[in-house]
Amino acid sequence: GAVVSQHPSRVICKSGTSVKIECRSLDFQATTMFWYRQFPKQSLMLMATSNEGSKATYEQGVEKDKFLINHASLTLSTLTVTSAHPEDSSFYICSARGSDRGLLYEQYFGPGTRLTVT
Amino acid sequence: GNSVTQMEGPVTLSEEAFLTINCTYTATGYPSLFWYVQYPGEGLQLLLKATKADDKGSNKGFEATYRKETTSFHLEKGSVQVSDSAVYFCALILTGGGNKLTFGTGTQLKVEL
Repeated sequence: GAVVSQHPSRVICKSGTSVKIECRSLDFQATTMFWYRQFPKQSLMLMATSNEGSKATYEQGVEKDKFLINHASLTLSTLTVTSAHPEDSSFYICSARGSDRGLLYEQYFGPGTRLTVT
Repeated sequence: GNSVTQMEGPVTLSEEAFLTINCTYTATGYPSLFWYVQYPGEGLQLLLKATKADDKGSNKGFEATYRKETTSFHLEKGSVQVSDSAVYFCALILTGGGNKLTFGTGTQLKVEL
């Protein structure tokens, strides 16, 4: 149990276009989802926390107008990178935290999405 | 604030060698501690966890003991395999602190034949 999927796993887009990444909890309801960015050989940087039905909370330094997050249901959150530029190229990872008592404090991670902006 | 410090890698070992990856933390409260593993090109997988002092988390031959007195959660394995080659992240979470995970910088492990 507690499986999180991401789609797509890899995406290449042209500079100036927008890209949407989906994060789904497949077998549990996730009241909270987290979006991370990982640079090569570095740790994960938390970008934002999204709660179902409310606006996302962004970490300091993360542009909310550039990285649009929508948590429309208890099983789906999306991250849209708007007007992407080469410096947005990175590995984006989502995680989901369950609303069930047994899953309350654990985060389950998706497999990540490799974004390359040309 | 909260922070996690891991030993820098890469750590290169021969198969069947003993592994230790050090992890220490600072926290304003009483955290739960985790080790995550990331295989090449993949997301993170929870390896093991401990939620209170003296708890030992274990999985797949890996172990880590929550040491409150030394604020440490070192990862150990008695005999590593080539398939253990990955990046290992130590992390903590404080309940009531937004439940945000704080990660260490990760330690790359390379196991050779």
